[in-house]
Amino acid sequence: NAGVTQTPKFRVLKTGQSMTLLCAQDMNHEYMYWYRQDPGMGLRLIHYSVGEGTTAKGEVPDGYNVSRLKKQNFLLGLESAAPSQTSVYFCASSLIPRTGNNEQFFGPGTRLTVL
Amino acid sequence: LAKTTQPISMDSYEGQEVNITCSHNNIATNDYITWYQQFPSQGPRFIIQGYKTKVTNEVASLFIPADRKSSTLSLPRVSLSDTAVYYCLVGDDRNTGGFKTIFGAGTRLFVKA
Repeated sequence: NAGVTQTPKFRVLKTGQSMTLLCAQDMNHEYMYWYRQDPGMGLRLIHYSVGEGTTAKGEVPDGYNVSRLKKQNFLLGLESAAPSQTSVYFCASSLIPRTGNNEQFFGPGTRLTVL
Repeated sequence: LAKTTQPISMDSYEGQEVNITCSHNNIATNDYITWYQQFPSQGPRFIIQGYKTKVTNEVASLFIPADRKSSTLSLPRVSLSDTAVYYCLVGDDRNTGGFKTIFGAGTRLFVKA
């Protein structure tokens, strides 16, 4: 099992460019999440999905769009990148949260720099 | 949402037991307490989760008093490789009304030789 994988690992963009980050999981998890982590800070939830074809906004959704066309994939898009979006992006997945079991499995992260 | 408060950083020495306390005064009845560990340049990794009293696994123990307004993560006999950031989360992700888990700034544990 590869677990949660993210593509690409690093990316540098110019202001105004667009890009898509890909997250894939092979654990048959229903829930998937995108977080961003700024230096010295905790993680902030951008968007999440509770199943194929569904998406929902998290804590900091502005400037990002997501899609979950397949259960195993969760895409994060930046339509017009801004320097404020320079961050490390983490994808995670989990089973349907239930009593005593809502462990999230994280990917290795994508380091994005917007110039 | 239940806010959590943790120490910003802690230092320890190899072989010592480390206890990291998290305050969550506004914890709701259905909220669980979850701890994650994050090494530099890696995603967080689940350590332990509990609702009340004591939970123990092969990595750590979690102590939760009866009022549940705080919790303590206990790492027995730490090693250099336990140097990481530890996050305390409080929430109930089962609510269909929305996702509630929030990561705070965490506690930076530095283990010295």
